[in-house]
Amino acid sequence: GQNIDQPTEMTATEGAIVQINCTYQTSGFNGLFWYQQHAGEAPTFLSYNVLDGLEEKGRFSSFLSRSKGYSYLLLKELQMKDSASYLCAPKGGGFKTIFGAGTRLFVKA
Amino acid sequence: NAGVMQNPRHLVRRRGQEARLRCSPMKGHSHVYWYRQLPEEGLKFMVYLQKENIIDESGMPKERFSAEFPKEGPSILRIQQVVRGDSAAYFCASSPRIGEEGYTFGSGTRLTVV
Repeated sequence: GQNIDQPTEMTATEGAIVQINCTYQTSGFNGLFWYQQHAGEAPTFLSYNVLDGLEEKGRFSSFLSRSKGYSYLLLKELQMKDSASYLCAPKGGGFKTIFGAGTRLFVKA
Repeated sequence: NAGVMQNPRHLVRRRGQEARLRCSPMKGHSHVYWYRQLPEEGLKFMVYLQKENIIDESGMPKERFSAEFPKEGPSILRIQQVVRGDSAAYFCASSPRIGEEGYTFGSGTRLTVV
């Protein structure tokens, strides 16, 4: 079966660091994406991990552990504009990307 | 270079009518994916197409829904005899090939069935 688990909501303060966790189970595995989606808008690509470890890209980093079925997205130096939903999206067998329900992040001043 | 173009942006249909949603992928992208998103919920995979071929339609409801990606022209998601439960945002995404690239999403079509 396929299952993606991430927290529904998180709140953090401007300038702080926040880690959004994701555990997943998929039929086959071909990498894991993180997307950002602002309310009423289309998702935008943030990161892609296919091997274990940490991928850093500016203020955003993403980590993957394939053996544990676990990933996290790390956001540093939070800004108000980072308030959005963050979607964990593993790519399973057949190269179909499955999206979690997302974590809504609220950044407060 | 235009991104993924979806139209219409908003579509209102009465119960029983047909809805046609169009998606033009990014230039050079030959893989198209359709997702449905209900309010406060995640994106649900519907169908994956390449030019003239349906690759994976495991997320498509068995009745009333169909999709195509002809040799020429946009991909079309067609919903016949719409019901209120079809009201959702429908997103199209494209990619150049199967690989590590993330999808590029269109702005979506928000379908409201009244």
